[in-house]
Amino acid sequence: NAGVTQTPKFQVLKTGQSMTLQCAQDMNHNSMYWYRQDPGMGLRLIYYSASEGTTEKGEVPNGYNVSRLNKREFSLRLESAAPSQTSVYFCASSVGQGREKLFFGSGTQLSVL
Amino acid sequence: AQSVTQLGSHVSVSEGALVLLRCNYSSSVPPYLFWYVQYPNQGLQLLLKYTSAATLVKGINGFEAEFKKSETSFHLTKPSAHMSDAAEYFCAVNAGGTSYGKLTFGQGTILTVHP
Repeated sequence: NAGVTQTPKFQVLKTGQSMTLQCAQDMNHNSMYWYRQDPGMGLRLIYYSASEGTTEKGEVPNGYNVSRLNKREFSLRLESAAPSQTSVYFCASSVGQGREKLFFGSGTQLSVL
Repeated sequence: AQSVTQLGSHVSVSEGALVLLRCNYSSSVPPYLFWYVQYPNQGLQLLLKYTSAATLVKGINGFEAEFKKSETSFHLTKPSAHMSDAAEYFCAVNAGGTSYGKLTFGQGTILTVHP
């Protein structure tokens, strides 16, 4: 059972470069989320999508864009990476909206130099 | 608005000792509360969830948590720590309303278990 799959696992960028983090789930979940994890700050919500075609900003959306390509896939794009975006990024999915159990991917460790 | 505060960023216990991880929440409506665990280099896994059905919630691996509305707390406990419990633990809240769909996490507590 794959669950939530994130690619890549590691990435190093230079300031100003762009990249897309990919996320796919095979559990037929409606909701998908992108979080970033920084030491001492827990996980903070960047964007979430309650269903295909809808997205909503979370707590820290600046510098990011998302696409809910279909029910399975939810990508996160950094258009012009900054050192402040160095973090571990987690994608998650759930059947419903937020009050259900979240299933997490294994994370992407991103460093912006 | 919803928020979560975890008291203590690091907790250290001996194997076999009681584990107590503290969580206080703020919510203007009855909340849904969660505890998640993160093992090194992995994503988060759900330990347990409070949904107002019962104030004492039992989870996986012998963990449980008690919802106390008067204290706005949802502390996580385990009677006897195992070496395998060493991980980072996160308390989280979802209060519905305008927060529907958004889960707010605490800062995390790293649990160390000594032999």
